[in-house]
Amino acid sequence: DADVTQTPRNRITKTGKRIMLECSQTKGHDRMYWYRQDPGLGLQLIYYSFDVKDINKGEISDGYSVSRQAQAKFSLSLESAIPNQTALYFCATSDATGMGETQYFGPGTRLLVL
Amino acid sequence: AQSVAQPEDQVNVAEGNPLTVKCTYSVSGNPYLFWYVQYPNRGLQFLLKYITGDNLVKGSYGFEAEFNKSQTSFHLKKPSALVSDSALYFCAVRDPSDYKLSFGAGTTVTVRA
Repeated sequence: DADVTQTPRNRITKTGKRIMLECSQTKGHDRMYWYRQDPGLGLQLIYYSFDVKDINKGEISDGYSVSRQAQAKFSLSLESAIPNQTALYFCATSDATGMGETQYFGPGTRLLVL
Repeated sequence: AQSVAQPEDQVNVAEGNPLTVKCTYSVSGNPYLFWYVQYPNRGLQFLLKYITGDNLVKGSYGFEAEFNKSQTSFHLKKPSALVSDSALYFCAVRDPSDYKLSFGAGTTVTVRA
C-alpha cells in the first residue's frame, strides 16, 4: 500500500551494529505496528502504538526498541543486531474507529544480519 | 488465546480451476477474520474481512470467503484462478475485545498456466 512507506527496503548489517528501520504513513491513522515475518511462522508482533504517547510491547520485543516521533512516523531500532534478527520487517497502520479495524501494511524491509 | 491454522503450506491449481485456501481459527468470542495476500517483494495487501452478518464475504480481485462458525473455518475461494493469483496468502483473526491480530503461517498458492 503506497500510503505506508518503509525505509530502507533492504539492509545488510553486521552483528553488534545498531540500525533503525523507519515507517511513515499518510493514511492519518492513529495506530501503528511493527511485525517481523519469518518463513513458516507468519507475522509476529514486535511493538505497537495506539497514539504518540502510547507504546506497547508485542510478542517478541526483546532486542528491539521503537520511537513514535509523530502520528505519521514510527521507527524500529535494533540496538545491537544479531543474526537471528535476519527477517522481513513490516510496518502496519490501522484506524481505531468502527468495527473490525483493518491493518494496512507497508512494503517491508528485508534485513540481513551477518 | 486466539490462533489461526492454515493446514496447507502449498496449494497448486491449474488456471481456470477453482481455488480454495483453508483457514481454521480459535478465539474465545465472536471472531473478526481477515485474509491478506503477499505478492513477491511486496507487502501484505488486504483482501477481505468478516465482522458480522452474511457468512459469505466478497473481496478484492474476485476472491470471497465463507465464515462457518460450527466448523470454526474461514476458507478463501476463487471460482476461476489466474496465474497472477500466485502468491502467499495469510489468514488472520482478532478477538473483538483485543487489539492483537494473530496470523496463520501462510499458504503459498501456485497457479499453473
